[in-house]
Formats: sequence, C-alpha cells, structure tokens
Amino acid sequence: GAVVSQHPSWVICKSGTSVKIECRSLDFQATTMFWYRQFPKQSLMLMATSNEGSKATYEQGVEKDKFLINHASLTLSTLTVTSAHPEDSSFYICSAREVEGALNSPLHFGNGTRLTVT
Amino acid sequence: GDSVTQMEGPVTLSEEAFLTINCTYTATGYPSLFWYVQYPGEGLQLLLKATKADDKGSNKGFEATYRKETTSFHLEKGSVQVSDSAVYFCALGTLNQGGKLIFGQGTELSVKP
Repeated sequence: GAVVSQHPSWVICKSGTSVKIECRSLDFQATTMFWYRQFPKQSLMLMATSNEGSKATYEQGVEKDKFLINHASLTLSTLTVTSAHPEDSSFYICSAREVEGALNSPLHFGNGTRLTVT
Repeated sequence: GDSVTQMEGPVTLSEEAFLTINCTYTATGYPSLFWYVQYPGEGLQLLLKATKADDKGSNKGFEATYRKETTSFHLEKGSVQVSDSAVYFCALGTLNQGGKLIFGQGTELSVKP
C-alpha cells in the first residue's frame, strides 16, 4: 500500500545549526504534503501545507523563515529548521494523501523525526 | 477556526472493559471526521472515519458515530485488549481547507491485563 517515508528518524544538532528533514511519498505522487509538529503532551499541530511547484502555506503563528519548506518534486518535500534552538526540539511528522483533495482517501503519515537541539 | 477537543488522558482500563473516548468539534462547512491511532514507536494510522451526519465508522471493534446535533464523534469499543494501548487522535477535515486535517490533542489509553 501507499507509504510515506520520512528521514531521518532522529537527529541531534547543536544550537544555531540547521537541520533538513525529508518526506517522500512512495508509490504515489503528492502535489500536497502536510507538516505537523507533535508536542510532548501528544497534541499534533499543523505547521504548514507544502505545495509542489509553489510556496508553502503556513499556519498562523508558524515562522516561515525558521521552518523552510521546499516541495521539489511530486514525491519529495523537505522541512529545514534553520538556526535551531532548544525550543525547536520536538517530533516532526509529515503526511500525504494518495488522492489529492479527497477526504475519503486516507492521509498517510511518516514515522516522524525526533529533533533534539543541544 | 475549526477545532477538535478530546477528553484528556491518560485513560487506564482493565482488559475487556468498555472504552469511550469523547471527541467534540467546531467547524464551518461540512467536515469529515476521523480517528487515528498511534501505537508506541509507530506513526499515525487511520482507524476509522465518517463523512456525513449519522454515518458510523468502524474498524477492529472500534466504532464512532458522526453526531451533527451534538457536534461529536465519540470513540467506543466494547471490550478492550492490552494491544489497544496507544494514543488516539480525533480529527476533522473539510474540502474547503485543501484536505488538511485538524487534530485533537490526543488521548493516551493504557490497558492492563
């Protein structure tokens, strides 16, 4: 079945450095991908909608310059956390839907990336 | 804006107990409603869904009915198992928002033998 692959599964970086997280749709194309951030008490916050060939749509309160999203192809979206700080430490999850815009089509999730900023 | 509210966890039950996890929502338009489950160390998986009022979604013994009059989508299971221990997320989505889902805060369920 359709799978979303996320890489890396965990990363540790020093404060001030940048980290790139990749999200790939396997076996299907996705012009739209969604990036979520999962907080320690489990709540899942939508950060942005990644659009292939155009700018990402960010949710209110999400810093565009800190969380750079690039949807380079129909199967790849990347999230770059720039100038990371300890408060950016979190669990980041991407997702994509097999059939664009069709809510009946399941939203497939990657296994997430645990980012720790020291 | 649209939002989803779930009952707070953790919920701890004995095996074979009845489970209810409450979920209510606020939305403009006509949302579809979902329950996702996250088992320890794994990604989110779709558990069940309902796309219109009075629809009942079901899977693996879990059920939830889309109640428009009470704006609710409570998750139920008649007899839980240890293997049901996970975090459960209620979510809504509307087509006018490009297919993105808005999630509740999640409810952790722990089932003891």
